[in-house]
Amino acid sequence: GAGVSQSPSNKVTEKGKDVELRCDPISGHTALYWYRQSLGQGLEFLIYFQGNSAPDKSGLPSDRFSAERTGGSVSTLTIQRTQQEDSAVYLCASSTTGRGGYTFGSGTRLTVV
Amino acid sequence: SQQGEEDPQALSIQEGENATMNCSYKTSINNLQWYRQNSGRGLVHLILIRSNEREKHSGRLRVTLDTSKKSSSLLITASRAADTASYFCATDIRASGTYKYIFGTGTRLKVLA
Repeated sequence: GAGVSQSPSNKVTEKGKDVELRCDPISGHTALYWYRQSLGQGLEFLIYFQGNSAPDKSGLPSDRFSAERTGGSVSTLTIQRTQQEDSAVYLCASSTTGRGGYTFGSGTRLTVV
Repeated sequence: SQQGEEDPQALSIQEGENATMNCSYKTSINNLQWYRQNSGRGLVHLILIRSNEREKHSGRLRVTLDTSKKSSSLLITASRAADTASYFCATDIRASGTYKYIFGTGTRLKVLA
């Protein structure tokens, strides 16, 4: 597609439920990133995929968070047993190689009630 | 702690004035980028400056990099109301082995018409 697409744009879920957030990067971009942004804060790195290499998961805050990238394209971020502190905007970005500028999606605003 | 820290946290200026934002970081980098974020959603890449560069221009934007002081500045000249946004610097950590960018906490710029 022309840009990075994220879905859903908004998600309200009950505490304890699992959620899946989707990112469809720009075709041909080998690098894909997930970040999290709490209200009024900076971006917190979560996970980085680059081609067929093992992902850099060093930013995942707990084992309730996981992500996969199928076929080197679409990525899904899964949060199990959601907690209220998981409420944030989850941003996905892709890049041709990881060395240059990112193109960000519009994000998924997750609210855990 | 954050790799990048922007200063000031908030800035309010009149239309036509110049806006200067600063970014300081802690460890050696390959590249430094500046992004703009409107309305708390997706970020837009503005400019990338490499560690061996000292200054770059793009339209009304001027970015400087001083690796000896581990700092960068973003200057927006002749500001417009449409420049109102949050501005973030992002640095990739040279020693990390992966091309993940760490974002600062941002400067909230308000340009008054």
